[in-house]
Amino acid sequence: ETVLTQSPGTLSLSPGERATLSCRSSQSVTGRYLAWYQQRPGQAPRLLIHFASSRATGIPDRFSGGGSGTEFTLTISRVEPEDSAIYYCQQYGNSPPLTFGGGTKVEI
Amino acid sequence: QVQLQESGPGLVRPSEILSLSCAISNGSVSSYYWNWIRQSAGGALEWIGRIYSSGSTTYNPSLESRVSMSIDTSQNHFSLRLSSLTAADTAVYFCARSPSQTRPFDIWGQGTMVTVSS
Repeated sequence: ETVLTQSPGTLSLSPGERATLSCRSSQSVTGRYLAWYQQRPGQAPRLLIHFASSRATGIPDRFSGGGSGTEFTLTISRVEPEDSAIYYCQQYGNSPPLTFGGGTKVEI
Repeated sequence: QVQLQESGPGLVRPSEILSLSCAISNGSVSSYYWNWIRQSAGGALEWIGRIYSSGSTTYNPSLESRVSMSIDTSQNHFSLRLSSLTAADTAVYFCARSPSQTRPFDIWGQGTMVTVSS
């Protein structure tokens, strides 16, 4: 099973600051098949990034993803109050089970 | 816009079987993978498994002995059955779509809370 470890656990920022979230995999993620989701309280996760760096439909360009192999990042260039949420990474390229990271809480 | 809606009992007794259904609206069940994912109170997300529109299934090995999934293409819905329930199965259960085995979950239902308690 591929274990994903996210850091930091919590990120506290002011509006306009840059957020950098990390996702480390226990083994190389095949094909860069790594996604990032945003989950606001009481809502389902929403797909932000797939294939490590491709933004999903309708996602603002202040969100960007990068990385390969075992190290991936999600960057929010200038955070806004509505970006307060928990962010999860997920791999979907390695043999099942598909797995998620433990999440990073972003507080604005 | 495709929408997913979970339905099922909010409370189930230990050792019993949980049955959940996910209705698909404004879209077809065909040629997609349909997934079940659950989220514990602490926030951890766990993939339970998926079913293709053909009926082919893949389950999380940690749950495989207790899980079964089915799909009804005529009614545009798919279902989850989880047996031998314990308190550890208490969670919010989501259904979600993925366009292929190499694509993530692009559409999610709102989730349904399931509590396992006597």
